[in-house]
Amino acid sequence: QKEVEQNSGPLSVPEGAIASLNCTYSDRGSQSFFWYRQYSGKSPELIMFIYSNGDKEDGRFTAQLNKASQYVSLLIRDSQPSDSATYLCAGLGGAAGNKLTFGGGTRVLVKP
Amino acid sequence: NAGVTQTPKFQVLKTGQSMTLQCAQDMNHNSMYWYRQDPGMGLRLIYYSASEGTTDKGEVPNGYNVSRLNKREFSLRLESAAPSQTSVYFCASRGQPNQPQHFGDGTRLSIL
Repeated sequence: QKEVEQNSGPLSVPEGAIASLNCTYSDRGSQSFFWYRQYSGKSPELIMFIYSNGDKEDGRFTAQLNKASQYVSLLIRDSQPSDSATYLCAGLGGAAGNKLTFGGGTRVLVKP
Repeated sequence: NAGVTQTPKFQVLKTGQSMTLQCAQDMNHNSMYWYRQDPGMGLRLIYYSASEGTTDKGEVPNGYNVSRLNKREFSLRLESAAPSQTSVYFCASRGQPNQPQHFGDGTRLSIL
């Protein structure tokens, strides 16, 4: 079992709809979580990070963290074709210490 | 803003050849990381350096060596390249704990 799990997708979303991405983690000691977006052939770029239980909003993106249930989610509102990419979830802390542990990524396709 | 700079961007090697991938960051970050990314495998940590003068193994260190030359530079060396090391290599850096990692543009390495 991987320490950080994501559905590989693809998650197909109509333009203008909400894309909902989920990530579960096994290490209860993980303290911080990061969402990266990666376009094909490009490097990962940070979208959001979250430390505390609850929701954190930034523009069209909302990250949600539930430490009791050990899951992190990312909502993308008003999805655009430019949101088509692979989204990587990563956890920091716990047994991994100072290192990020990445999930395998969820591929999102936004169809016009 | 240069951020994290990796060289070269592309490289083709023959089995058994050696080479060094270079990484430099201009953000005065303490921690630096080397990852490889293969299709369907996500990002896997090869080596990391929590601070200048220290290096530690990650998830997949076999066949690689690293050098933290100074605070800015962290190089990855393949002593005897093997086809299994064909991959995209990303360098990343991070400043304070709980802060996100910033990635370079990657090096696409093919070993024939």
